[in-house]
Amino acid sequence: GAVVSQHPSWVICKSGTSVKIECRSLDFQATTMFWYRQFPKQSLMLMATSNEGSKATYEQGVEKDKFLINHASLTLSTLTVTSAHPEDSSFYICSATGTGLWQPQHFGDGTRLSIL
Amino acid sequence: RKEVEQDPGPFNVPEGATVAFNCTYSNSASQSFFWYRQDCRKEPKLLMSVYSSGNEDGRFTAQLNRASQYISLLIRDSKLSDSATYLCVVSRSGGGADGLTFGKGTHLIIQP
Repeated sequence: GAVVSQHPSWVICKSGTSVKIECRSLDFQATTMFWYRQFPKQSLMLMATSNEGSKATYEQGVEKDKFLINHASLTLSTLTVTSAHPEDSSFYICSATGTGLWQPQHFGDGTRLSIL
Repeated sequence: RKEVEQDPGPFNVPEGATVAFNCTYSNSASQSFFWYRQDCRKEPKLLMSVYSSGNEDGRFTAQLNRASQYISLLIRDSKLSDSATYLCVVSRSGGGADGLTFGKGTHLIIQP
């Protein structure tokens, strides 16, 4: 149980392109989904917290107009990197948590984004 | 000071040995604690949650010391498949409402 699917796994595109990444909880309802980013040899850093039906909460230093998050249903959240540039190249990974106390987060497979 | 600090290693350990990792966290309001494992270029996978009473899962034992803000992981009878990066992770909440704070990880290499 507790499967989270993320798509696509790899994206290579030109600078200036907008890229959408999907995160789905396949077998549970995720009221909260999280988006992280990991640069090489660095720790995963939380970018934003996404609650179904409401606006995402962004961490300090993360531009909300650049990283658009939509969480329209209990099983799907999307992250759109708008007008991506080479410095946005990173490993983007989502996680989802179900309801109840002491629930761990379950991670998607991640999306490796390379901007040329 | 980083929120979660770990020795990055690498730890080179012979197969069958016992190895221990430590981690310290700075936010005393942290409520939930975990060890995750991350293989190269993959997503992190939950290894185990960590409780104040300590907990064991097979060859893995985790301990939490809230007073010292210190978390440990012990791996006994290490296997080649244990080679990975081990991430110490804390959360402000116990209900999954907050994002996780990750350490940079400790790189473990089990040698045959």
